[in-house]
Amino acid sequence: QVQLQESGPGLVKPSETLSLTCTVSGGSISSYYWSWIRQPPGKGLEWIGYIYYSGSTNYNPSLKSRVTISVDTSKNQFSLKLSSVTAADTAVYYCARDRKFVDTAMVTRYYGMDVWGQGTTVTVSS
Amino acid sequence: QSALTQPASVSGSPGQSITISCTGTSSDVGGYNYVSWYQQHPGKAPKLMIYEVSNRPSGVPDRFSGSKSGNTASLTISGLQAEDEADYYCSSYTSSSTQAVFGGGTKLTVL
Repeated sequence: QVQLQESGPGLVKPSETLSLTCTVSGGSISSYYWSWIRQPPGKGLEWIGYIYYSGSTNYNPSLKSRVTISVDTSKNQFSLKLSSVTAADTAVYYCARDRKFVDTAMVTRYYGMDVWGQGTTVTVSS
Repeated sequence: QSALTQPASVSGSPGQSITISCTGTSSDVGGYNYVSWYQQHPGKAPKLMIYEVSNRPSGVPDRFSGSKSGNTASLTISGLQAEDEADYYCSSYTSSSTQAVFGGGTKLTVL
């Protein structure tokens, strides 16, 4: 059974870079898409971006200039970097497996974000 | 991209049925069958309940069902139970299946 675990600093200073890692256990990171999602206190979910195990990425346009997602298949991990953070970036950050794939009929299928980490709280404050 | 539109809250009594709507555009909900629904209890991670508009992952009760008409998707919960009380979020991939967008979330209260 695949499990995800986020890790990283819980406190980041304004203008600095937020860095988080998601470790995949119980399965391989290969052949899947992997997403980062965040949730500010008392608010809804916001998709940050995804990475395919091969390294291709796609980001939320509203965060694109500040976001970098990378993957390390040898460690079964993928990571998030968010630069120039402000208090508005304070949130619970989740990683998730994103089941998008092309089936045998060459049709893109989407089975949703089916495995989530427990989430990690990041506070931006001096 | 803009968030999908959901009602802020819905409520129902045990045993009743409720429906949560999720309105987008032809570039997301209306254009593709990539709508998913997530349940989130307080302090917990979201849980996938519906994918590709109307499919249930293994282990999700058949009391949960999804549908879509035009640019609006819907989640229906029949036979409401106390443990269904949670926040529910819809999500869709946008054009070219390159970006995801969530709804603002709906708080379900079981009276």
